Amino acid sequence: GAGVSQSPSNKVTEKGKDVELRCDPISGHTALYWYRQSLGQGLEFLIYFQGNSAPDKSGLPSDRFSAERTGGSVSTLTIQRTQQEDSAVYLCASSRARSGTDTQYFGPGTRLTVL
Amino acid sequence: GNSVTQMEGPVTLSEEAFLTINCTYTATGYPSLFWYVQYPGEGLQLLLKATKADDKGSNKGFEATYRKETTSFHLEKGSVQVSDSAVYFCALSDRGSNYKLTFGKGTLLTVNP
Repeated sequence: GAGVSQSPSNKVTEKGKDVELRCDPISGHTALYWYRQSLGQGLEFLIYFQGNSAPDKSGLPSDRFSAERTGGSVSTLTIQRTQQEDSAVYLCASSRARSGTDTQYFGPGTRLTVL
Repeated sequence: GNSVTQMEGPVTLSEEAFLTINCTYTATGYPSLFWYVQYPGEGLQLLLKATKADDKGSNKGFEATYRKETTSFHLEKGSVQVSDSAVYFCALSDRGSNYKLTFGKGTLLTVNP
């Protein structure tokens, strides 16, 4: 079956604009995670969904960042009033169930550049 | 909180050389341990994992053993190939943190022919 997909693959925006990043997890995967990868900070956790609820939002860096998941499937990460420090690759991962033995499968990422 | 410390690169080896990338961790619970790999221009892929002490994960000639006494999960390969050139990330997850992955900073490996 298909893997995790993300869109767009690249996004260039101007400082102050809002952006939406989309993640389509593997079908049937109930857990969904957002991470971001940047040169300075490495790979950082942002938010975790189990079904449509987000029990762990501890990694969101500011209230400009929000995310939702609908139908237990697609997730959207929204960044409002983007800043240059938001430039990074945003990665989505999904896994079958809430267990430490389950593998998280990663999408190809969205490269966000804020000018 | 959880943390992962891994050997920072870059690491440059000749083909058929022995590879070790050190990884140690700090965790409050009983974590699962992972090595992920990112090949040039590609996404993160799971290379291997171990879910309890003394487990050995292996894949594509790579191995790592979960050592609870030394809180380590070092990655090894006996004979590297040019195609192993990539960035390698050590990571952990545990139940107390909703199984989110905590990553090391990554080690860039370059293998020359």
